[in-house]
Amino acid sequence: GEDVEQSLFLSVREGDSSVINCTYTDSSSTYLYWYKQEPGAGLQLLTYIFSNMDMKQDQRLTVLLNKKDKHLSLRIADTQTGDSAIYFCAERHTGTASKLTFGTGTRLQVTL
Amino acid sequence: KAGVTQTPRYLIKTRGQQVTLSCSPISGHRSVSWYQQTPGQGLQFLFEYFSETQRNKGNFPGRFSGRQFSNSRSEMNVSTLELGDSALYLCASSSAGDETQYFGPGTRLLVL
Repeated sequence: GEDVEQSLFLSVREGDSSVINCTYTDSSSTYLYWYKQEPGAGLQLLTYIFSNMDMKQDQRLTVLLNKKDKHLSLRIADTQTGDSAIYFCAERHTGTASKLTFGTGTRLQVTL
Repeated sequence: KAGVTQTPRYLIKTRGQQVTLSCSPISGHRSVSWYQQTPGQGLQFLFEYFSETQRNKGNFPGRFSGRQFSNSRSEMNVSTLELGDSALYLCASSSAGDETQYFGPGTRLLVL
């Protein structure tokens, strides 16, 4: 089945690292994505990982994938106030072309 | 390259009316997908068009329809609007064989 879950809220201090978690249930997922949504805006693609990879790093962002536990995480190093937003993980399934199944979103609040 | 554009950005309609939303993909992208975002249901896949053909469809009633033109621009139509259709409608484009989807800013529809 298709089900992607995320915790609803995360608060971190500026300069600390943020870790946003996501669990999914469909083992046929091919790609897993992280998107960022700021108030009143669309979705900004942050990064993605292919399902046969364990880790991907892109500047301040690190994605970790645990296929056994179907667990995906996004680590943001040196979190800034501009990182305050809602973060969505999404999975794309084999044979479903471009259809993405999104998680519920995690609201990241960065405090001074 | 210009990003994905959506028009109009905001719409107010009344129950029973119909509405047409437009999406222009990134130049060279032939796949356009539509998503509905609501506070209660989150982000849900509506449909995907590729080379003027619907390639995938989500679980929405027949009141929701779409089409794609030869220049890859896409429209979605919602007939007999209901209050529950109030949402942010997001369009995403990708090129053939590309694992990434890029989203537009969305059209915010309010049904009164």
